[in-house]
Amino acid sequence: ETGVTQSPTHLIKTRGQQVTLRCSSQSGHNTVSWYQQALGQGPQFIFQYYREEENGRGNFPPRFSGLQFPNYSSELNVNALELDDSALYLCASSTQETQYFGPGTRLLVL
Amino acid sequence: QKEVEQDPGPLSVPEGAIVSLNCTYSNSAFQYFMWYRQYSRKGPELLMYTYSSGNKEDGRFTAQVDKSSKYISLFIRDSQPSDSATYLCAMSALTGANSKLTFGKGITLSVRP
Repeated sequence: ETGVTQSPTHLIKTRGQQVTLRCSSQSGHNTVSWYQQALGQGPQFIFQYYREEENGRGNFPPRFSGLQFPNYSSELNVNALELDDSALYLCASSTQETQYFGPGTRLLVL
Repeated sequence: QKEVEQDPGPLSVPEGAIVSLNCTYSNSAFQYFMWYRQYSRKGPELLMYTYSSGNKEDGRFTAQVDKSSKYISLFIRDSQPSDSATYLCAMSALTGANSKLTFGKGITLSVRP
């Protein structure tokens, strides 16, 4: 176990709705990253937060937004959901060397 | 061309076989190389982490990096049915608070008893 937890585990939404996913980082890790993993693909980097500030963003539209809190937990918000947003959303917290992933939230958009 | 290309699968081997998994990359800025294992419907689990070129061994697993050829490999000796999973290579130019991992597509390995 990595110590990174995510909630909820599964979620079903309809197109156009908004969703908030949550992540609790491993103790002592002040950097959190979010990734989207479509079926049969590798994870794609969405963005990273370091000490509550966005610290890099991948090729995702502004309707993907996030927050990091003083306790280093984090949220991923997605507005105006599209069918292609159906995926496994992964949160990872970082040491100085690399990233450790949580179990993910599986989102299905109908 | 994708930044990271991973050998397509799936791959099926008998128990006890030596498995070789490979990735190539195009971004010469990558310095940190990782292999993750992902079981079905789970998050990726870090298997191996290496910096720059060279070999690193951990039990039955050996990671190899050749930066001159932009090629990385993971070898699994004495493969077991419990090794059946998807293997993802990942790499980054920086580490820690500035790391952004770029992944390969993943290869699904099945080890037959």
